[in-house]
Amino acid sequence: GAGVSQTPSNKVTEKGKYVELRCDPISGHTALYWYRQSLGQGPEFLIYFQGTGAADDSGLPNDRFFAVRPEGSVSTLKIQRTERGDSAVYLCASSLKGGVAGYYNEQFFGPGTRLTVL
Amino acid sequence: AQTVTQSQPEMSVQEAETVTLSCTYDTSESNYYLFWYKQPPSRQMILVIRQEAYKQQNATENRFSVNFQKAAKSFSLKISDSQLGDTAMYFCAFMKRSNYQLIWGAGTKLIIKP
Repeated sequence: GAGVSQTPSNKVTEKGKYVELRCDPISGHTALYWYRQSLGQGPEFLIYFQGTGAADDSGLPNDRFFAVRPEGSVSTLKIQRTERGDSAVYLCASSLKGGVAGYYNEQFFGPGTRLTVL
Repeated sequence: AQTVTQSQPEMSVQEAETVTLSCTYDTSESNYYLFWYKQPPSRQMILVIRQEAYKQQNATENRFSVNFQKAAKSFSLKISDSQLGDTAMYFCAFMKRSNYQLIWGAGTKLIIKP
């Protein structure tokens, strides 16, 4: 079946603008994750959804970042008043479940959205 | 807090050679998973191999194998008979069991030369 898809592939915006990044998870996956990968670094966790609710948003850097998943499938990461430091690749992943005691569910990643803030 | 360290920013070997990528980690947890992911220029993270900390036997997947030293908190990846398609960034990652957050190293750029 289809893998995780993310749109757009690349996004260039100006400092201060608002952007939305979209993630389509694998069908049937109830868990969805957002990570941010800055240049030359490994990804950093941003937020985890189980179904429609954000089960853990502890990785969001500040209140300019917000994410939703209203129907438990597609998720949108929203960044207000973008800053040059927000430039990074934003990765989305999905899995069957997340954080279930004694079970491992592989996270499948999308190709990411490269955000450039000028 | 958990940390993952990859001390080799870049490595380069000839095709068909064997190469070993290093990873060390720090945790007070006893139950966890360790992973190696591959990220080609397409940016998509691909799981290469997974190790469960309670298993003493080292994981293997075809040409890929790990050397897991729990006491030393070391988790290296060995790629045998390297191929041009192995050229990519390789990331070591940690996850507490019953959790979901992957904690990542900074990555090693691996170049396979023809």
